[in-house]
Amino acid sequence: KQEVTQIPAALSVPEGENLVLNCSFTDSAIYNLQWFRQDPGKGLTSLLLIQSSQREQTSGRLNASLDKSSGRSTLYIAASQPGDSATYLCAVRSGAGSYQLTFGKGTKLSVIP
Amino acid sequence: DAMVIQNPRYQVTQFGKPVTLSCSQTLNHNVMYWYQQKSSQAPKLLFHYYDKDFNNEADTPDNFQSRRPNTSFCFLDIRSPGLGDAAMYLCATSLTGVGVAFFGQGTRLTVV
Repeated sequence: KQEVTQIPAALSVPEGENLVLNCSFTDSAIYNLQWFRQDPGKGLTSLLLIQSSQREQTSGRLNASLDKSSGRSTLYIAASQPGDSATYLCAVRSGAGSYQLTFGKGTKLSVIP
Repeated sequence: DAMVIQNPRYQVTQFGKPVTLSCSQTLNHNVMYWYQQKSSQAPKLLFHYYDKDFNNEADTPDNFQSRRPNTSFCFLDIRSPGLGDAAMYLCATSLTGVGVAFFGQGTRLTVV
């Protein structure tokens, strides 16, 4: 059974810093991995999707990497801003034909002005 | 422009009183999902539809049912809500079973 872990559970950084959020998964036979942002009391906003054949994806100040063999992904946020404060969740889709996204519990990020 | 819309945003229901949550999409996606998310927990898949084909997760309680009358709409029915069913319910869609998942804003359910 796939398990997804995100460490740390919470992170606080001063504005302007670059930061890395971590995601690990137990079964490397994934189809893709998706990073989401969740604001308090809201739904999930998709940030990046990485296919299993890819090593990284970039969108603006965000860069996500994937090392499938070691079961790890990172989300790099450059020049953090207070508006980046949210919970970031990663989710893996295990194998073609598996429709379930298995989520981690997320990392709650606070960017201090 | 909202693409996955959930109504209502907040729902209060009485213990044991049936409740229905709704989800609509403008993306014309084949797959629709319902997730349950409790406080500080990971979202948990309850079930999904691929077109009209319904797929229930093995550990989803019988108390939870779903309907998808057409491509655009999907409903979550909770037949007899218990206090433990209080949670955020998230609807999502994807074009295919492995495509990017788009989520709605969620419905926060409170059971009193």
